[in-house]
Amino acid sequence: DAMVIQNPRYQVTQFGKPVTLSCSQTLNHNVMYWYQQKSSQAPKLLFHYYDKDFNNEADTPDNFQSRRPNTSFCFLDIRSPGLGDAAMYLCATSTGQAGNEQFFGPGTRLTVL
Amino acid sequence: GESVGLHLPTLSVQEGDNSIINCAYSNSASDYFIWYKQESGKGPQFIIDIRSNMDKRQGQRVTVLLNKTVKHLSLQIAATQPGDSAVYFCAENSLSSGYALNFGKGTSLLVTP
Repeated sequence: DAMVIQNPRYQVTQFGKPVTLSCSQTLNHNVMYWYQQKSSQAPKLLFHYYDKDFNNEADTPDNFQSRRPNTSFCFLDIRSPGLGDAAMYLCATSTGQAGNEQFFGPGTRLTVL
Repeated sequence: GESVGLHLPTLSVQEGDNSIINCAYSNSASDYFIWYKQESGKGPQFIIDIRSNMDKRQGQRVTVLLNKTVKHLSLQIAATQPGDSAVYFCAENSLSSGYALNFGKGTSLLVTP
């Protein structure tokens, strides 16, 4: 089945130690998104790629970076994780047309020690 | 700024009853609305969507109602089952926001036997 895959499902890192989360999709969608979701809150958009065009949200900290080497893969890099970065990180995809649903992956739960 | 929000943070219903989850939005230019269900530890899952040129759309056991006059969206779940227990998010986008979804805060639905 076509889907959005995130690896790993659970990630533990140390304070200040860089970490990379990965996302892949078999939907061949143009747009890939990264969201941060903290407990009991709505997903918060960090940034997205439309094809190779990167779009950063204004309030996304510089500590968060992203790479999209090809259509299928997108990575979230956290350069120096702080305790406040512990959250669920969700990847989603869409066709890129306004009014189309976003398909979410299962998320990666990040713990910062 | 523009926002999407929910009236009730939690909703408890008995199994077999109908559930109604409400959502208010403020962007009069919103033209696409979507409901997601998110179970604990999982990514959001699409339930149903509706475009602004409609006021009602039905799916399997779910109905979405859109009242553009008062900027109100609701999700009705018929014959609620224990498997419906989850957090429900409404989200919207508009041509001006392109393909970025604006999420509401979420309502936790608890179905009791």
